[in-house]
Amino acid sequence: QSALTQPASVSGSPGQSITISCTGTSSDVGGYNYVSWYQQHPGKAPKLMIYEVSNRPSGVPDRFSGSKSGNTASLTISGLQAEDEADYYCSSYTSSSTLVVFGGGTKLTVL
Amino acid sequence: QLQLQESGPGLVKPSETLSLTCTVSGGSISSSSYYWGWIRQPPGKGLEWIGSIYYSGSTYYNPSLKSRVTISVDTSKNQFSLKLSSVTAADTAVYYCARHRGSARGTLRWFDPWGQGTLVTVSS
Repeated sequence: QSALTQPASVSGSPGQSITISCTGTSSDVGGYNYVSWYQQHPGKAPKLMIYEVSNRPSGVPDRFSGSKSGNTASLTISGLQAEDEADYYCSSYTSSSTLVVFGGGTKLTVL
Repeated sequence: QLQLQESGPGLVKPSETLSLTCTVSGGSISSSSYYWGWIRQPPGKGLEWIGSIYYSGSTYYNPSLKSRVTISVDTSKNQFSLKLSSVTAADTAVYYCARHRGSARGTLRWFDPWGQGTLVTVSS
């Protein structure tokens, strides 16, 4: 069981917007602005999409955005494209001895 | 740009020690504010952080693996390494190395970039 809770799957049609949630506790998501999001295509390494809740690395389309409210962080993808179909993982720093926690991952299907 | 590449045996016998090396190119492993980490992903499952090291040798480990893990760094070769002892089939996974943004106080933040990953199978 992962420390951060994500929905197992989400789906959307091209052009639509979807949101993936990532729920933790006040020891991780709620307590620090150190939430990051990763995109992973089959057989590939994860790629950083969002860091520190809402910052986009250079080269990541602005269709990807991140936010946080309380103990839940969210990744929103607007204007869905076929290439966005992938697994998405959230991660956070935690003040527990674990230090780094991941969500269980969400499979995004573009219909 | 910065690139990381994992190397090591793809097959390890149960009870033996898994050893992997990550070679960093396009930048120095001695960069301040960055740790160097190992993450693994069992087939069909999610990501698990193993541990991270600073170029000075300071380390942080996942408590669930700490008793079996050693991460070391060789700044002269721009490499860092992972050793996982007493492996079982549960340690079969794709192992990734990645640069890990962090602070001196140990607030570990995000991983970028990642190596391509290497599959290690534990089997006799």
